[in-house]
Amino acid sequence: LAKTTQPISMDSYEGQEVNITCSHNNIATNDYITWYQQFPSQGPRFIIQGYKTKVTNEVASLFIPADRKSSTLSLPRVSLSDTAVYYCLVGFTGGGNKLTFGTGTQLKVEL
Amino acid sequence: GAVVSQHPSRVICKSGTSVKIECRSLDFQATTMFWYRQFPKKSLMLMATSNEGSKATYEQGVEKDKFLINHASLTLSTLTVTSAHPEDSSFYICSARDPRARVNTGELFFGEGSRLTVL
Repeated sequence: LAKTTQPISMDSYEGQEVNITCSHNNIATNDYITWYQQFPSQGPRFIIQGYKTKVTNEVASLFIPADRKSSTLSLPRVSLSDTAVYYCLVGFTGGGNKLTFGTGTQLKVEL
Repeated sequence: GAVVSQHPSRVICKSGTSVKIECRSLDFQATTMFWYRQFPKKSLMLMATSNEGSKATYEQGVEKDKFLINHASLTLSTLTVTSAHPEDSSFYICSARDPRARVNTGELFFGEGSRLTVL
């Protein structure tokens, strides 16, 4: 399982764009990159997933360089409600393979 | 998206008693579910992989006799904390992958979590 490294914490203000980078130097060919968001006392919630290049959905964008050794989650115009822990996971769960969580990044958004 | 539900969301028990936590996939069948444990301000720690119709696979350091897992049907997995002690107090979270999801992707759906407090 590929190990991931993220900043422990980040601070931002409402309306700003936030970019959280995750390093995963030993990512395998079959591995996908998935980001989850977790609020206190709740289960994690899926944000976005990608394999290479750029993926965008209604809440975020995910940038993955060609070597796939890192990825960046981009949250446009954050609000106070985006204050949460963001986890980067790397792996392949086809067939029920497990995913393990790293330390995550605590994002704090202020007014 | 797919829904995974846990029950109870909170439970308080006395030391020495056993507590059962249920995890259900509400709109899909899950042959595999995962149980995590999370201490305050810490990341999720995978405890075990629950397999329908067979024994669970436990992670290193997790006592299988302490944390009994049963996956008797395709929509239900249960975690029983036996003879609970205060150090077992934690946030327990289950997850499952919707087999109807895009092939070869890893999106997991998580339950709301169950907070166990052992007095």
